[in-house]
Formats: sequence, C-alpha cells, structure tokens
Amino acid sequence: AQTVTQSQPEMSVQEAETVTLSCTYDTSENNYYLFWYKQPPSRQMILVIRQEAYKQQNATENRFSVNFQKAAKSFSLKISDSQLGDTAMYFCAFMNYGGSQGNLIFGKGTKLSVKP
Amino acid sequence: DSGVTQTPKHLITATGQRVTLRCSPRSGDLSVYWYQQSLDQGLQFLIQYYNGEERAKGNILERFSAQQFPDLHSELNLSSLELGDSALYFCASSVHLGTGTANTGELFFGEGSRLTVL
Repeated sequence: AQTVTQSQPEMSVQEAETVTLSCTYDTSENNYYLFWYKQPPSRQMILVIRQEAYKQQNATENRFSVNFQKAAKSFSLKISDSQLGDTAMYFCAFMNYGGSQGNLIFGKGTKLSVKP
Repeated sequence: DSGVTQTPKHLITATGQRVTLRCSPRSGDLSVYWYQQSLDQGLQFLIQYYNGEERAKGNILERFSAQQFPDLHSELNLSSLELGDSALYFCASSVHLGTGTANTGELFFGEGSRLTVL
C-alpha cells in the first residue's frame, strides 16, 4: 500500500525568506502523480503544484517549486519569498497514474506559519 | 472559489442521529469525491461517483452511504452517528477525461462541511 509521510508537523519562516517542506512516499508503482495542497484557515483545499512521476524536470509555479527525487521517493516543496498569505497547512499527496482518480493519499500535513 | 459548493457549512447533531451532506460539483465535472478530515485520521478518501455511478470506494463505513443524482449533485448520508464521526467532510470534483485517457489528477475541493456529534 502506498503511504505518504510528512516528517515536519510544524514549521515557521520569516516573511520574504525561503522554506522547504519535506515529503517522502512509498510505492511500488512506476507511474504516478504527486501533489502539494494548501489548506488555509478558510479550510478549503487548494492545489499548489503537481508533478508527474515520468517527468524528470521539477515542477514550478511562481514562488513554489518542488525537488522531486524519484529514486529516493522524495518530493519536497520550496516556497520562496514567503508571504503572510502562505500561512496554512500543507499536504503532500500521491495518486496512481490511471488509477482511481479520487484516491489521493495524503500525508498528515505540515503547519506553516509565516511571521512578519 | 473552486466552484464546488457544499452545504451545510456547519452541522451539530447528537449521537444516533442521521445527517445528509450535499455537494454541487463544478459546472461540467462528472466526477464527485467525498473525503473525511479528522484530527486523528487525517484526510481519507471515502467514495467516488462518476456520472451517477459509484466508481471507487475507500475507507467508508457501512453506516455511511452516498449517491450522485442525474443533475450530478451528490449527497453523503451519515447514520447512527457516533462521537468519532465528528470531522470535516470535503467534496471534490474533477473532469473525467474518459476511459484510457490519462487524467490530470487535479481535484477541486469545496469548503467542507464541519460535522460535530455531541
């Protein structure tokens, strides 16, 4: 069974600094998707970034980028120039390629606080 | 705004009762998913419907059931409620790209329904 592990329950960063959130996963599959979702105090789950396992190039979305290490089964999220609005829970998630589209497997989350 | 609407936003009820949570997916999305978020279990996939039919089932209790109606809205029914059922219940939707076509994996989540069982 696939598992997703986020080893940092809480992190904090100063505004404008850079922070990296860790995620490791376990799977025997070769093709899959990895995601980072953000859950601000408003509770809504918002997709931050997505990575297809077959792509070697790391995904980037503005200030957000990932470091995808397939052999190590590691998928970290880097937030550059942190903003107060980045304060949220961040969830790493895994989905099999071609599998049940809804069966996202989530990590326990990392609570990120951006301090002014 | 994701375009996914969930009602009610908050619900307080007693043990043994039954509640219904409602979800309207984004316009054009055929697939609806239900997730449960609790402090001890984290985010767990419950069930998926596609165009009215059950597509996949996760860790959904027998006391829980769901359906998707012809207008594509979905309802999650929770019965014989227990204290441990207190949680945030999310609905999500996505475009289903068809059999044999790679999906993008992106789900669009509603704001959730906060259920408190006393």
